[in-house]
Amino acid sequence: NAGVMQNPRHLVRRRGQEARLRCSPMKGHSHVYWYRQLPEEGLKFMVYLQKENIIDESGMPKERFSAEFPKEGPSILRIQQVVRGDSAAYFCASSPQGTALGEAFFGQGTRLTVV
Amino acid sequence: DQQVKQNSPSLSVQEGRISILNCDYTNSMFDYFLWYKKYPAEGPTFLISISSIKDKNEDGRFTVFLNKSAKHLSLHIVPSQPGDSAVYFCAASGRIYNQGGKLIFGQGTELSVKP
Repeated sequence: NAGVMQNPRHLVRRRGQEARLRCSPMKGHSHVYWYRQLPEEGLKFMVYLQKENIIDESGMPKERFSAEFPKEGPSILRIQQVVRGDSAAYFCASSPQGTALGEAFFGQGTRLTVV
Repeated sequence: DQQVKQNSPSLSVQEGRISILNCDYTNSMFDYFLWYKKYPAEGPTFLISISSIKDKNEDGRFTVFLNKSAKHLSLHIVPSQPGDSAVYFCAASGRIYNQGGKLIFGQGTELSVKP
């Protein structure tokens, strides 16, 4: 899973600031997924994107959260006006095709701490 | 609504013995199941998968069994090694259910293999 690159690995933000998390998928992968892991919980799906398109955002909070996967460059998960409850590990995964046809490969995650 | 459940938060096994991790699901539309292994401060690593057309898949020390009628799958590790100590996540996907998109994860089971 070293092929999926996430940065930064650790991010500290004060309440009310913006957090930007970046994900570069593995080479040749056009499907990107974002997951969140709260302390003591499993991974919760947030959003599924293909190049320039949001396919499924059913796991995204209705406000303050947005995601994009532009034609060029990494996928970005953006959290505006962060609150303490946003503190979590955010994982990005990629796959060459949808996950009903094969596994997704995960990055090492970005640990967001809101102070 | 927890569609994928791992009811045992932890499991302790002696080195050399068999580890059995269990997972239940509720959605009959799932047709592809995966196991991931996760070490602290790292991203999940794909371990093994199984399609709903099979009832068993084996890869070295790891075997996954699927019982569709019971909506149950299990991961067997034999023989268990101390390096297997990690959190194991069960995940499910469905080609028809969600256009082959997101993985739905269980809460995880922390396996500890004692020397």
